[in-house]
Amino acid sequence: KAGVTQTPRYLIKTRGQQVTLSCSPISGHRSVSWYQQTPGQGLQFLFEYFSETQRNKGNFPGRFSGRQFSNSRSEMNVSTLELGDSALYLCASSINRVGGTGELFFGEGSRLTVL
Amino acid sequence: GESVGLHLPTLSVQEGDNSIINCAYSNSASDYFIWYKQESGKGPQFIIDIRSNMDKRQGQRVTVLLNKTVKHLSLQIAATQPGDSAVYFCAENELGTYKYIFGTGTRLKVLA
Repeated sequence: KAGVTQTPRYLIKTRGQQVTLSCSPISGHRSVSWYQQTPGQGLQFLFEYFSETQRNKGNFPGRFSGRQFSNSRSEMNVSTLELGDSALYLCASSINRVGGTGELFFGEGSRLTVL
Repeated sequence: GESVGLHLPTLSVQEGDNSIINCAYSNSASDYFIWYKQESGKGPQFIIDIRSNMDKRQGQRVTVLLNKTVKHLSLQIAATQPGDSAVYFCAENELGTYKYIFGTGTRLKVLA
């Protein structure tokens, strides 16, 4: 079974631009979560989607948004990029557990550098 | 490779020794806990999980202990090998929140 696939793996943007990151979950997984990883803040929750619905959102500004498609694939978008948005963005999929999110299976991440 | 954390606490152990990595979790309502391993340039990989109705769970060479009274998790790795060198994170989840809170991580270095 193929793992979680994230594209692109690396990208460089300049301040003020926007970026879209893509995630294909493991087949059969309907829950997709996004996390931001930085050396200073560690792994921080961005949002979680299940059946195209956002069920929770972390404490990030509105510049960070996401969506999920009917095939469970997900995208996240960051608009008006700032230097502090430089990070590894990790997508994880999981099988839903009753009332919650099961074990997370992570992709390799998208490394964003903002200049 | 990419740096996961520049100033993480580091645990150095001799190859063949046992390792114990500790984690203090934050939410007393968390009911599901996972240990992840992250190697340089890769995403976190699942090691072992435990639910709040248990206080110990064993896997292959790994054991997780949960102390809900003091909100503490530990990961024990038996006969540590060079391939165990990585950053280890604990993650907690509260039913119904659909998110995990991750610990700051511990870097494990295995000395030959």
